[in-house]
Amino acid sequence: AQSVTQLDSHVSVSEGTPVLLRCNYSSSYSPSLFWYVQHPNKGLQLLLKYTSAATLVKGINGFEAEFKKSETSFHLTKPSAHMSDAAEYFCVVSGRGFQKLVFGTGTRLLVSP
Amino acid sequence: DTEVTQTPKHLVMGMTNKKSLKCEQHMGHRAMYWYKQKAKKPPELMFVYSYEKLSINESVPSRFSPECPNSSLLNLHLHALQPEDSALYLCASSMTGGGVETQYFGPGTRLLVL
Repeated sequence: AQSVTQLDSHVSVSEGTPVLLRCNYSSSYSPSLFWYVQHPNKGLQLLLKYTSAATLVKGINGFEAEFKKSETSFHLTKPSAHMSDAAEYFCVVSGRGFQKLVFGTGTRLLVSP
Repeated sequence: DTEVTQTPKHLVMGMTNKKSLKCEQHMGHRAMYWYKQKAKKPPELMFVYSYEKLSINESVPSRFSPECPNSSLLNLHLHALQPEDSALYLCASSMTGGGVETQYFGPGTRLLVL
């Protein structure tokens, strides 16, 4: 069965400093992985996705993630945080039935001035 | 245009009311989804429609009744809900529902059951 573990429930950074949100996955076959962001009282927006092409995936708003099979990780990074990045971030793996997404528990990113 | 719209944005209903949530997309997608999201939790899948046919029902209570009248519209009919059903209800769509596809989410309807 697929599963996703987001290692931090909260991450706090200062504006202009790097962001690292950690995600580990478990999958019995080659997974597809996604990062979604949810701003307060909003729906989910796709940041980026990995589907077995390049292991370094670039997304919107300066975010990127690297798929590391040996470490079963798919961490999300951004070189310089902006106040508008404050939100909830979900790491997601595509489930066995492709229509099913398996969500991590989320990481809340807090950005201070 | 990668937009999924949902109406209403907010809904307050009593336990004896009947109401409906509406979702619409014009991306030509043939798979549509309903999720329920409680506060500080990830979304939970409720229903999936693929080519206007119900393909997944995640053992959702019958007080929630989905309907897909055409390929662009998805409704969720609500009847005799309980206070614990209060949540954010998210709609999503994807191209066909087969293979690995990106799901595009709407902004959600925030439901409060009194």
